Amino acid sequence: DSGVTQTPKHLITATGQRVTLRCSPRSGDLSVYWYQQSLDQGLQFLIQYYNGEERAKGNILERFSAQQFPDLHSELNLSSLELGDSALYFCASSSPVGGQTNNEQFFGPGTRLTVL
Amino acid sequence: AQKITQTQPGMFVQEKEAVTLDCTYDTSDPSYGLFWYKQPSSGEMIFLIYQGSYDQQNATEGRYSLNFQKARKSANLVISASQLGDSAMYFCAMTSPFASKIIFGSGTRLSIRP
Repeated sequence: DSGVTQTPKHLITATGQRVTLRCSPRSGDLSVYWYQQSLDQGLQFLIQYYNGEERAKGNILERFSAQQFPDLHSELNLSSLELGDSALYFCASSSPVGGQTNNEQFFGPGTRLTVL
Repeated sequence: AQKITQTQPGMFVQEKEAVTLDCTYDTSDPSYGLFWYKQPSSGEMIFLIYQGSYDQQNATEGRYSLNFQKARKSANLVISASQLGDSAMYFCAMTSPFASKIIFGSGTRLSIRP
């Protein structure tokens, strides 16, 4: 158990819908990262938050957004869902100094999103 | 730009044998970190081992060791005395202090034969 929790574990929805994925980092970790793992794209970094502020953006679509709340939990919002958004979405956390990333990230169990 | 390459899509190894999973990387940053993660069929990502670019010695964690060859830009994972439970996808990853993201390779699927 990494200490990172993600809910829900599975999510099935229809095209055009909007969903919210939730992540609670390990106790004491200030950074939260979101990743998408799909069969054709592999593991892709989406976005990082550090202590409530966006720190870095990766391959995140404009239909997707995220935020980190004062209690450090984070939510990833996916809207206007398409079939190709079906994937495993991971949240990871770490406790880098100043938001740097030169140390390990601990992953949550993931949310498997299926868009029908 | 940073890049991670894993050239072995799949490997089969006999139980109790040692196995080496290859990883090469490319970066212009002088400071970076290299990681290996294991992803079993259940889906979770499990951190295995970390090597810093300035570390003088190769990292070791139990049966896992990282063969770090900086001049060749390689960071191979060595698993000694493989076990059936080692069957999984293995990802090599890299980050740097100011890149603010972690880049993953395409992974190697390791299957251990009894």
